[in-house]
Amino acid sequence: DVKVTQSSRYLVKRTGEKVFLECVQDMDHENMFWYRQDPGLGLRLIYFSYDVKMKEKGDIPEGYSVSREKKERFSLILESASTNQTSMYLCASSEDYRRYNEQFFGPGTRLTVL
Amino acid sequence: SQQGEEDPQALSIQEGENATMNCSYKTSINNLQWYRQNSGRGLVHLILIRSNEREKHSGRLRVTLDTSKKSSSLLITASRAADTASYFCATEETSGSRLTFGEGTQLTVNP
Repeated sequence: DVKVTQSSRYLVKRTGEKVFLECVQDMDHENMFWYRQDPGLGLRLIYFSYDVKMKEKGDIPEGYSVSREKKERFSLILESASTNQTSMYLCASSEDYRRYNEQFFGPGTRLTVL
Repeated sequence: SQQGEEDPQALSIQEGENATMNCSYKTSINNLQWYRQNSGRGLVHLILIRSNEREKHSGRLRVTLDTSKKSSSLLITASRAADTASYFCATEETSGSRLTFGEGTQLTVNP
């Protein structure tokens, strides 16, 4: 079974802190994604990556950056956390962009910024 | 508004009844997928239907796709209390493999 793990289930940070959210997948997937989920807004794509050291902006990249130094790991970075970044963050991976494929999700990190 | 929009936003039924959720989208797609999310957890893939398919079954799930109307429906038959969750449709547009998710339907199945 594909496993996508996220470094924390719950995280509390203060405004202005630098925050790292880590995601690791164990199935050698090419694609990795970061979403945030907010009530009434569904899932919104922040950043995604089709390959190591490659990144693409999603729909709401402002205030975030990402890093993919190894194929299995995709990190989301909040350079200076703000209260409007309080949200549920979901990481996902999928096999190959050239094929019809499903995304496998991690359990999510609920981030609160005070 | 988002590419995928589910209807209704919330649905409450009794165990044993069927549940139908609808999804509309705006652009051309490669495929449409349905996911399930239990409260506070990640999403789990349920079923994928390609743009050249009209209907697909998986266990108690039946998905239809009407590309002329840009709409899909998810039917869960003989629902169980354990089906209580949020259900999301997601579309993969012809321009790439990223998915666009709707806002979801919250299904409550009462025992």
